[in-house]
Amino acid sequence: KAGVTQTPRYLIKTRGQQVTLSCSPISGHRSVSWYQQTPGQGLQFLFEYFSETQRNKGNFPGRFSGRQFSNSRSEMNVSTLELGDSALYLCASSLRNGGPVTDTQYFGPGTRLTVL
Amino acid sequence: GESVGLHLPTLSVQEGDNSIINCAYSNSASDYFIWYKQESGKGPQFIIDIRSNMDKRQGQRVTVLLNKTVKHLSLQIAATQPGDSAVYFCAEILGTGNQFYFGTGTSLTVIP
Repeated sequence: KAGVTQTPRYLIKTRGQQVTLSCSPISGHRSVSWYQQTPGQGLQFLFEYFSETQRNKGNFPGRFSGRQFSNSRSEMNVSTLELGDSALYLCASSLRNGGPVTDTQYFGPGTRLTVL
Repeated sequence: GESVGLHLPTLSVQEGDNSIINCAYSNSASDYFIWYKQESGKGPQFIIDIRSNMDKRQGQRVTVLLNKTVKHLSLQIAATQPGDSAVYFCAEILGTGNQFYFGTGTSLTVIP
C-alpha cells in the first residue's frame, strides 16, 4: 500500500496570507490527524477527522481549520498567517475502525511551511 | 494536555553499542504507547508499540519496556548502527478518543 502523502512538500508564504495543505491517507484508513512540529518542540496536536467529522481538537486558535472529504482525504487551512506559524505540518492516518483498541498512526513526510 | 516527557534530550552512542531511550508518562490510564523515529526531513516512522497489558515487546533489534508502576517507557536498540541516528519520540494514547500525546523527542547520534 502507498503511504500517507502530503502536498505540497514545501511552501513559502508571507504574513497575512492563507494556506491550504493536503493529506491523502493510507488506503482504507478513515482517520486523519494533523500535527504542528516546530524546532525544540514535540508534535503538537491540531485536530483529528474521522468520517468527515472533526472528532478531536487541540489548543490552536480558530485560524487553524480543516476538513475531510468522503474519500478520507483531508485538508488543513491556516488563515492570516503569522511568523510563528512556520513549522513542519504533519498528517497521520489510522484505521480507526471504531473498536475499543486504538490503532497506530502512520505519518506522512510533512509540509514545510515558511512564513516571511 | 497530558505530559509525556523524555529524560534526556540528546544521546550519543558508539556504533555497535546498545542504546536506551527513556520516556515518562503522566496518565496511569494510558493504555497504548508507540515509539517513533524521525530522520531529518522526514515524518515520524513507526518503530514499535506496546499496550498496557504487556510489560515487554520485542521487534527487530528493538525492545520496548513498559513499567506501569512508575509510568516509564523505554526503547532499547541493540547493536546501534549509524542509520539509527535520528530523533526518537514516545507517544502516549488514552483509551478514550484517538488523541496521541508526544514527548519532545530524544536525539540519538551514533558515533562510527
